Amino acid sequence: DAKTTQPPSMDCAEGRAANLPCNHSTISGNEYVYWYRQIHSQGPQYIIHGLKNNETNEMASLIITEDRKSSTLILPHATLRDTAVYYCIVRVSGAGSYQLTFGKGTKLSVIP
Amino acid sequence: ETGVTQTPRHLVMGMTNKKSLKCEQHLGHNAMYWYKQSAKKPLELMFVYNFKEQTENNSVPSRFSPECPNSSHLFLHLHTLQPEDSALYLCASATGAGDSYGYTFGSGTRLTVV
Repeated sequence: DAKTTQPPSMDCAEGRAANLPCNHSTISGNEYVYWYRQIHSQGPQYIIHGLKNNETNEMASLIITEDRKSSTLILPHATLRDTAVYYCIVRVSGAGSYQLTFGKGTKLSVIP
Repeated sequence: ETGVTQTPRHLVMGMTNKKSLKCEQHLGHNAMYWYKQSAKKPLELMFVYNFKEQTENNSVPSRFSPECPNSSHLFLHLHTLQPEDSALYLCASATGAGDSYGYTFGSGTRLTVV
């Protein structure tokens, strides 16, 4: 699976949009981009995933560049409960069990 | 609750003890995973089970022994652990097919080896 690069930490003011970048310049055509987050001492939580089109759900939006070499996770109105470590992961799609390899992620701190 | 339940939430054990961690899911998932998260380190994949069959063992020491009696239950048997095995142990499940909603994780077992 392709390697990803994320900034180690970011701050965001409460109520503002949080934009978390991820570089995945070696991504292959059949690899999806997944985002998870981990609130302190809990298990990671799935947020969103996409292949090449932008995606939106009730939690966030995922913007993938046209060349697919980078993406941005957008939390439109960050709250204090969004303070967490955010992981960007790419993996191959397909049937059978699959593995997710977690990096160090971005520690997002939402500030009152 | 995520649908993946791990017990116990906290465990303190001596180096000569034998204990087991339990993970249970009723989401209809076919794949189950054990991850280890040590302090300030990324999650490390330990074991993968797909349809009750172990498909991955990431060079985990034999003092960790997984068991998957059915697709809904996963155990991690522990014996003669070392203090450096103290960590958060996370269980996850997934459909095992295609790309639905990724993994569902449990809340983890915080293990302290004394």
